[in-house]
Amino acid sequence: DAKTTQPTSMDCAEGRAANLPCNHSTISGNEYVYWYRQIHSQGPQYIIHGLKNNETNEMASLIITEDRKSSTLILPHATLRDTAVYYCIVRVVMNYGGSQGNLIFGKGTKLSVKP
Amino acid sequence: EAGVAQSPRYKIIEKRQSVAFWCNPISGHATLYWYQQILGQGPKLLIQFQNNGVVDDSQLPKDRFSAERLKGVDSTLKIQPAKLEDSAVYLCASSLDRWGIGELFFGEGSRLTVL
Repeated sequence: DAKTTQPTSMDCAEGRAANLPCNHSTISGNEYVYWYRQIHSQGPQYIIHGLKNNETNEMASLIITEDRKSSTLILPHATLRDTAVYYCIVRVVMNYGGSQGNLIFGKGTKLSVKP
Repeated sequence: EAGVAQSPRYKIIEKRQSVAFWCNPISGHATLYWYQQILGQGPKLLIQFQNNGVVDDSQLPKDRFSAERLKGVDSTLKIQPAKLEDSAVYLCASSLDRWGIGELFFGEGSRLTVL
């Protein structure tokens, strides 16, 4: 089962920042927080990941609380093309050859960006 | 760089018939995954390959599903006989690293409808 809790849906105005929350209160020390998104009729797409420090790339920023029990994905200037389902996933890494490197998806947050 | 290729994109069959899906991962990617995504849900892992060996097939319904990755490159997922509940999108993904750290790259999926 997925180890994260996300709101089912959110709306955001085009050009504004979209802040997508995620709770992962049972996260372990060796688990990273990953975010993927899935645009309609496409496969999931990697966005960003982090362990405990805030991370930023060309797509988004990831803010992880100090206790690591929750995080927020920020799309700084949402566009209509950002309309998608966003998945927050905790993932064990450095598990040599093991299956725990897999992504376990929940139902995600359906983000609708409106003009 | 070419992405993950999957075929066919769409398939309609009747229950009890068989179907096969093909996946060609990104060149050089050691790990290959097959996911099943039922409408309205997040993707669920069916099987993970490390080169041509199976790492995790614990959620593969082995009485009807089979998968292989001969020569550690492309892969085939077969369903025989199909049931109504197998209607879903079958996603193939690959990742470069062996240790479950790197991002997964997904194909566009193969949509199966079982009548």
